[in-house]
Amino acid sequence: DTGVSQDPRHKITKRGQNVTFRCDPISEHNRLYWYRQTLGQGPEFLTYFQNEAQLEKSRLLSDRFSAERPKGSFSTLEIQRTEQGDSAMYLCASSLARRGPTYNEQFFGPGTRLTVL
Amino acid sequence: KQEVTQIPAALSVPEGENLVLNCSFTDSAIYNLQWFRQDPGKGLTSLLLIQSSQREQTSGRLNASLDKSSGRSTLYIAASQPGDSATYLCAVAGNAGGTSYGKLTFGQGTILTVHP
Repeated sequence: DTGVSQDPRHKITKRGQNVTFRCDPISEHNRLYWYRQTLGQGPEFLTYFQNEAQLEKSRLLSDRFSAERPKGSFSTLEIQRTEQGDSAMYLCASSLARRGPTYNEQFFGPGTRLTVL
Repeated sequence: KQEVTQIPAALSVPEGENLVLNCSFTDSAIYNLQWFRQDPGKGLTSLLLIQSSQREQTSGRLNASLDKSSGRSTLYIAASQPGDSATYLCAVAGNAGGTSYGKLTFGQGTILTVHP
């Protein structure tokens, strides 16, 4: 169990550019979540996958944001035409929806820090 | 809409002190509650998970309680150490309509400093 990994760890881009982040969940986990965290705030939910199906999207996720989880394994989050307001830490989490005392305990990756200049 | 509040926003204590962090939530229809630790610039580390049917969970020097009906949880840290210095986040997974995909709603966190 190597934990949740995210790539890249840091991304600096110019306004208007597209960026893509990758998340590799814990191998047997069937649920994958994306959150966004700005300085001094708790993370906010963006979107959720159960296996390869994207089942919920937050209103925070504008049309410029798209997420995929092909084959129910890794996930990508793409932001098109970045804006300065997109600067934040993007966190990925995974969990196992299986009955038991640890049902749906979420484990987080190290995050991708995005800076839009 | 679920709202989670954590009190205090910041806490500074001397090493060895026992302390309590508080978390409250507005909608008692939750599936579970998690406490996390976050070091500066890092991701979140899960500390304790309490399912809605449970009252408390313990791990080492940490004890978390849950009172779902009153919308409150506390995290108790015994014999605090400088290495405990971090931001502590409380998060609840909603159970709207009897279903839960487990998305978490977070509080803003309590910044804990334990000084030697």
